[in-house]
Order: sequence, then structure tokens, then C-alpha cells
Amino acid sequence: GESVGLHLPTLSVQEGDNSIINCAYSNSASDYFIWYKQESGKGPQFIIDIRSNMDKRQGQRVTVLLNKTVKHLSLQIAATQPGDSAVYFCAENMYSGAGSYQLTFGKGTKLSVIP
Amino acid sequence: KAGVTQTPRYLIKTRGQQVTLSCSPISGHRSVSWYQQTPGQGLQFLFEYFSETQRNKGNFPGRFSGRQFSNSRSEMNVSTLELGDSALYLCASSLGGAGYYEQYFGPGTRLTVT
Repeated sequence: GESVGLHLPTLSVQEGDNSIINCAYSNSASDYFIWYKQESGKGPQFIIDIRSNMDKRQGQRVTVLLNKTVKHLSLQIAATQPGDSAVYFCAENMYSGAGSYQLTFGKGTKLSVIP
Repeated sequence: KAGVTQTPRYLIKTRGQQVTLSCSPISGHRSVSWYQQTPGQGLQFLFEYFSETQRNKGNFPGRFSGRQFSNSRSEMNVSTLELGDSALYLCASSLGGAGYYEQYFGPGTRLTVT
């Protein structure tokens, strides 16, 4: 899946360093957030999620931080590897009426890992 | 456990034609959501189906429609294709509502309109 646009923000990191990808969300009422990774030719892949009653959640080599005060999400990847090179999207759930929600995605950040 | 499958993977159509894309969710998943992905607009929500009912719809014209069958498989249809409909169309399945449960994406259908 070609998710890379000419105007996608890009983050280049050295292999083994930590990466931090940031995302600003729009709706203060959103209470569920997800980070996805999309490699070339593939659909987005779930990395980690967090609900609004938490500030931090850790997975394997990844940590998501949520700052509700400034409506900011970040994804931290420890010891970045070449296989981490991809486009990363944050998504927030937004209430769409009648008791249902939908996910709204950010534009994405391209992570390039330098071997 | 088999993942989400989408067919066809690639499609070329002419402006004015219509197209139908298919999505088979993960077994047991009742929710299927469709997204359009373009370099300029990113991932945009089209609609969500749950138990054969459209539960949610994004801001797309009525030319975009969908349905879900009793086995949770879903199809989306685009009529009177326009050049701007060229995109990667992704479907995602989840156990419950798209806004609260982890969504699993398929590989997408790359539609090119000429």
C-alpha cells in the first residue's frame, strides 16, 4: 500500500537509537487511541493502543504516551531496527452519533532507519 | 488464524464505470470498516458495517456504497468512477465496534481510474 505522500513528515534515526513519533489529535472527547505501522505494499498493522484513563502503556519495544491536556500522543520505539522502517499513523476514536464511533487517522510519519 | 483478505488486489477501470471490491474479515469478526487511502488525504473512513447493518458512514458521496453479508463478508461499490477515486481501498475487521476494538487491516485493493 503506497501510503507515502510527498509531504509526509520524515524521521531518520540510526539503528539502535530510540525513535519518538508524535501526533496531535483533534477531539478532546476521544477516549481511545491507536498506533499503526504501514510497510510498503501492506495494510496498516496494529502496534499498540491506549485508552484515555491511562497516560502510558508499554508493549514490546514500544511505549505510547498520552497527554490529554495538550491532546498529544507519542510513540516511542526502543532500539530501532531496520525492520521498523515504515509509515506510522496515530488514530483516535470519535463519536459519530447513535452510540457508535469511528477511527480518524493522522497523516502519518515516515520512519527511516539508517543501518 | 487467517487474516483479512481483499480481492482483487489490483484493478484498473475507466472513468464512468463502476467497481465492486470484496473483503473477507477474520473469522468471528462482525465489524468491517472500509477506508480510502491516498497520498494527499491519507486514510479516510468510508463506512462501517456490523451484523449486516451500516452503522457509520464517512463524508463520501452516495456513489460509494457497501453491504455486509450474513457471513460478515463485505463488499463496497463505487459507481460512476472519477479520476479522483484512484486510491488504495482498505478494509479492516474487528470483533466489535471499530472505535473501541483493535482493527485488523487487509492488504488493500489498488484501484486506478483512467
